[in-house]
Amino acid sequence: GDSVTQMEGPVTLSEEAFLTINCTYTATGYPSLFWYVQYPGEGLQLLLKATKADDKGSNKGFEATYRKETTSFHLEKGSVQVSDSAVYFCALSDHNAGGTSYGKLTFGQGTILTVHP
Amino acid sequence: DGGITQSPKYLFRKEGQNVTLSCEQNLNHDAMYWYRQDPGQGLRLIYYSQIVNDFQKGDIAEGYSVSREKKESFPLTVTSAQKNPTAFYLCASGSTGYTYGYTFGSGTRLTVV
Repeated sequence: GDSVTQMEGPVTLSEEAFLTINCTYTATGYPSLFWYVQYPGEGLQLLLKATKADDKGSNKGFEATYRKETTSFHLEKGSVQVSDSAVYFCALSDHNAGGTSYGKLTFGQGTILTVHP
Repeated sequence: DGGITQSPKYLFRKEGQNVTLSCEQNLNHDAMYWYRQDPGQGLRLIYYSQIVNDFQKGDIAEGYSVSREKKESFPLTVTSAQKNPTAFYLCASGSTGYTYGYTFGSGTRLTVV
C-alpha cells in the first residue's frame, strides 16, 4: 500500500536558518504530492503541491521538488521566520494512469518546527 | 466564500454518550473525509465518502458512524463504543478527479468529562 515517511522531529531552528524537512514515499500508481501546514489549534492548510515527476511546488518561500528516482519530496526554505513555527505534513494522493484518484490522501506523521528569534 | 465548516469547535462528552460532529462544505466537492488527530500525532482516517449515500471505513472506524445524505454534509457520530474519544477531529473535502488536495475544516476538539 501507499506510505509516506517524514524525518523525525521536532526541528528547532534560529530565525533566518535554512530548513529542510525530508519526505519519502511509496506508491503503486501515479501519485500527486503535497505539503500541508498546521498552526496550533487549527486545521491543515495546503502549502504546496506537485503532480508529476520533476515538478517543483512553491509557496511563501517554501519549495519542494517531486523526485521520482529517489521517491522524495523534501520541503525547503532558505530563511525561516518565527511565524513558520507549525507542524508540517507530507502527503500523497495516488491515481491511475487516467488521473482518477484512488480516493484518499496518505499522510506522514508530521514534523514539528519551532523557530526561535 | 467557499469553504468547509466544522462545528462545534469544542465539545464535551460524558461517559456513555453519543455525540455528533458537524461538517458542511460549499465547495461542490464530491469526496469528504474524517480524521482523528491525537496530541503530537499524525492524522488517522476514520471514514470517507466519495459520493452521496456511500461511505467507506478508514483505518480506525470502530466506535464511529457517519452518514452522507447530502453532498454538502458529512456528520460524524462518536458512539459510546469508542473507548478513548478525546482527540482533535478534522473534516476535509476534495475532488475525486485529478486531485488538487484537500480542503480542511478548522477542527473540533472533543473531550470526555
